[in-house]
Amino acid sequence: GAVVSQHPSRVICKSGTSVKIECRSLDFQATTMFWYRQFPKQSLMLMATSNEGSKATYEQGVEKDKFLINHASLTLSTLTVTSAHPEDSSFYICSAPGQGGWKTEAFFGQGTRLTVV
Amino acid sequence: KQEVTQIPAALSVPEGENLVLNCSFTDSAIYNLQWFRQDPGKGLTSLLLIQSSQREQTSGRLNASLDKSSGRSTLYIAASQPGDSATYLCAVTGVSNQGGKLIFGQGTELSVKP
Repeated sequence: GAVVSQHPSRVICKSGTSVKIECRSLDFQATTMFWYRQFPKQSLMLMATSNEGSKATYEQGVEKDKFLINHASLTLSTLTVTSAHPEDSSFYICSAPGQGGWKTEAFFGQGTRLTVV
Repeated sequence: KQEVTQIPAALSVPEGENLVLNCSFTDSAIYNLQWFRQDPGKGLTSLLLIQSSQREQTSGRLNASLDKSSGRSTLYIAASQPGDSATYLCAVTGVSNQGGKLIFGQGTELSVKP
């Protein structure tokens, strides 16, 4: 199956700093990448949808100036958490539709555990 | 608004048992339903994808069924093993969704005891 590589897997940062998370599609082109957030013991909630070459679409309640998304190429999407605060501590995970498009199987990165201290 | 619910939230069984995980969704207008496995602190592994026109899918000891009209899906695990211990998530892609975002249930945390 398709592989989505996400880095870093874990990051600890100080409050007020910014953190960048990368997701790469290794063996296919991902024109769309979905970014989810998961709090402990809760399900995944979609934050935003990134599209190669255009602006990301954010879900209601997600601050676009805080969570900057860049989809610079067909194989790379990045999420930058700006001015991170302890309440941003969470598990962030990206996903891309398979080669059959979004109606087919979705492939996920390994996730990034962000801890803001 | 689509809502996905999974029951039970947690399940503990002895090794060798057959078990059923349940998933329900409120809006039957879906393209597909997908079952995932998530190990602690890890990403998601896709287990089975059922298209809206399908009734079930099988992979090894796993069988997933879909009853779209009643808004239900089940994941059947045969002869459970300790290695099956993980959180199982179901997610739907709705017809009204833009671009295929997934709506997830809260997951069922499965523990299989040796």
